[in-house]
Amino acid sequence: DTGVSQDPRHKITKRGQNVTFRCDPISEHNRLYWYRQTLGQGPEFLTYFQNEAQLEKSRLLSDRFSAERPKGSFSTLEIQRTEQGDSAMYLCASSLYSPPGYTFGSGTRLTVV
Amino acid sequence: GENVEQHPSTLSVQEGDSAVIKCTYSDSASNYFPWYKQELGKGPQLIIDIRSNVGEKKDQRIAVTLNKTAKHFSLHITETQPEDSAVYFCPGNNQGGKLIFGQGTELSVKP
Repeated sequence: DTGVSQDPRHKITKRGQNVTFRCDPISEHNRLYWYRQTLGQGPEFLTYFQNEAQLEKSRLLSDRFSAERPKGSFSTLEIQRTEQGDSAMYLCASSLYSPPGYTFGSGTRLTVV
Repeated sequence: GENVEQHPSTLSVQEGDSAVIKCTYSDSASNYFPWYKQELGKGPQLIIDIRSNVGEKKDQRIAVTLNKTAKHFSLHITETQPEDSAVYFCPGNNQGGKLIFGQGTELSVKP
């Protein structure tokens, strides 16, 4: 297992377009987390899954954001009608136990122009 | 969730010197204290963690100490090297396992 994989690494999109990111966690990890990070700030929690169930969503996650983990393995994060304020690094992490020792991916850097 | 205060926000040391970053927490029920290192362009990486039944843990040049009475824990890096330059986080965590990150400490090791 090579760790948590995120795809794409970079995405440039025009304002108003929809984008989708993918995260492949460590295979035996049952928990998967999405975070967003802007320059100079720590990662902000967006949502997390235990297996296929989405257990918590941040108030930061507007109705333009949706996340899925259909079979309890990989996850997708979709942003509809992107805005310039959505420009950030989107990080995925997975863990096996709680409290967690997270393994983060390298992130997807989104730029909305 | 548990909120943690981290100090300093920036730290500059000479190569070979030691660096110490301190975090203070408020919930006396907290029992897990991790440290993450984030290099430029990468996701945070867990470098060491400690549970509340242990006062100190070491891994080569890094160590974490926990003072439950004072409710603080610290990261110690000895013999710093340029590759230690990064942002370090001590996220709080809640019962659900969610990590809550602050702004971190930007460590710069000057050769």
